[in-house]
Amino acid sequence: AQSVTQLGSHVSVSEGALVLLRCNYSSSVPPYLFWYVQYPNQGLQLLLKYTSAATLVKGINGFEAEFKKSETSFHLTKPSAHMSDAAEYFCAVIDSGNTGKLIFGQGTTLQVKP
Amino acid sequence: KAGVTQTPRYLIKTRGQQVTLSCSPISGHRSVSWYQQTPGQGLQFLFEYFSETQRNKGNFPGRFSGRQFSNSRSEMNVSTLELGDSALYLCASSGEDRGAFFGQGTRLTVV
Repeated sequence: AQSVTQLGSHVSVSEGALVLLRCNYSSSVPPYLFWYVQYPNQGLQLLLKYTSAATLVKGINGFEAEFKKSETSFHLTKPSAHMSDAAEYFCAVIDSGNTGKLIFGQGTTLQVKP
Repeated sequence: KAGVTQTPRYLIKTRGQQVTLSCSPISGHRSVSWYQQTPGQGLQFLFEYFSETQRNKGNFPGRFSGRQFSNSRSEMNVSTLELGDSALYLCASSGEDRGAFFGQGTRLTVV
């Protein structure tokens, strides 16, 4: 069965610092991986997705993620944090089989300090 | 393209009542999934519909049900509401590229 683990439920960075949010996956098949962001009382917004093309995936708002099969990781990074990046971030993998079902990590809350 | 639309945004219901939530997917998307989000349990999968057929089902009691219409719009119904059903209910639509796009959610409060 597919699963996703996000390391760190809370991450705090200073404005302008590097953002690194960690995600490890477990998958029996080549995975489809996603990062979503959620602002308070909002739905989930798709930041980026990996679908077995390039291993370095660029998303919206300056975020990117690198798929590393050897480490079963899909960490999210952004070179310089902005106050508006403060939100909750979710890593997700599509379940195996013919489905659109997503399996989510527990989420990481990003705090950005001025 | 219009995004995923969920209605209503907010609902307050009394224990024992039933509720119906609606989701209109992105045009051309045939897969619609529903998720429940709570602080304690995180994001949990309820069910997925594809071309009017339930393709997957999560581990929720039978009080939770759904359906999909020929235009891909979907509804979910919760009967005999319990306090623990208070949550943000999210709908996601997917197309051929497997990327799921979410609506703004329906915040259900059961009192």
